[in-house]
Amino acid sequence: AQSVTQLDSHVSVSEGTPVLLRCNYSSSYSPSLFWYVQHPNKGLQLLLKYTSAATLVKGINGFEAEFKKSETSFHLTKPSAHMSDAAEYFCVVSETSGNTPLVFGKGTRLSVIA
Amino acid sequence: EPEVTQTPSHQVTQMGQEVILRCVPISNHLYFYWYRQILGQKVEFLVSFYNNEISEKSEIFDDQFSVERPDGSNFTLKIRSTKLEDSAMYFCASRRLAGGETQYFGPGTRLLVL
Repeated sequence: AQSVTQLDSHVSVSEGTPVLLRCNYSSSYSPSLFWYVQHPNKGLQLLLKYTSAATLVKGINGFEAEFKKSETSFHLTKPSAHMSDAAEYFCVVSETSGNTPLVFGKGTRLSVIA
Repeated sequence: EPEVTQTPSHQVTQMGQEVILRCVPISNHLYFYWYRQILGQKVEFLVSFYNNEISEKSEIFDDQFSVERPDGSNFTLKIRSTKLEDSAMYFCASRRLAGGETQYFGPGTRLLVL
């Protein structure tokens, strides 16, 4: 069985400061890991994904995440927050092979203060 | 860039009524999914669909739910007799291949059952 734990339900940062959204996963198989973002009243947009290639993954809008197997973590970072980054972020796990559904974390709401 | 579309964006219905939520997946995609997100909760998998049949379904997807691909483009979710607890945002997703391929999400249909 797979599961995802997002350690913070809400993170608040000042504009221009670094962002860290934490995610730990559990998977019996070689996982694929994703971060999706959901802006208010919008759908889910893929930020980045890891599928057993490079452990440091770069995504859109300056976000990146590092897959650490020893820590079963896939934390999302950004060097400098922008007001437009305020949204809900979901860490998601799936199996690398097969047609398994995505398993979502509960989400982290990121607030950016001017 | 091709995207998944969903209609309607919002639907209000009375308890016990049937609703059909519509999705148009990306045209060359082969795998289709429905997820839902009850307000304030995480995104949950409902059902996956491939080669004109259900591949997998969650325990949420009981006999009140059905899916269909009536033609080459649409993918529908039907709820036969809606309950108050069916109120949620329903997301359709599609992907081209299985495994670690990205699932692309539509903007969602917000369903309110009164």
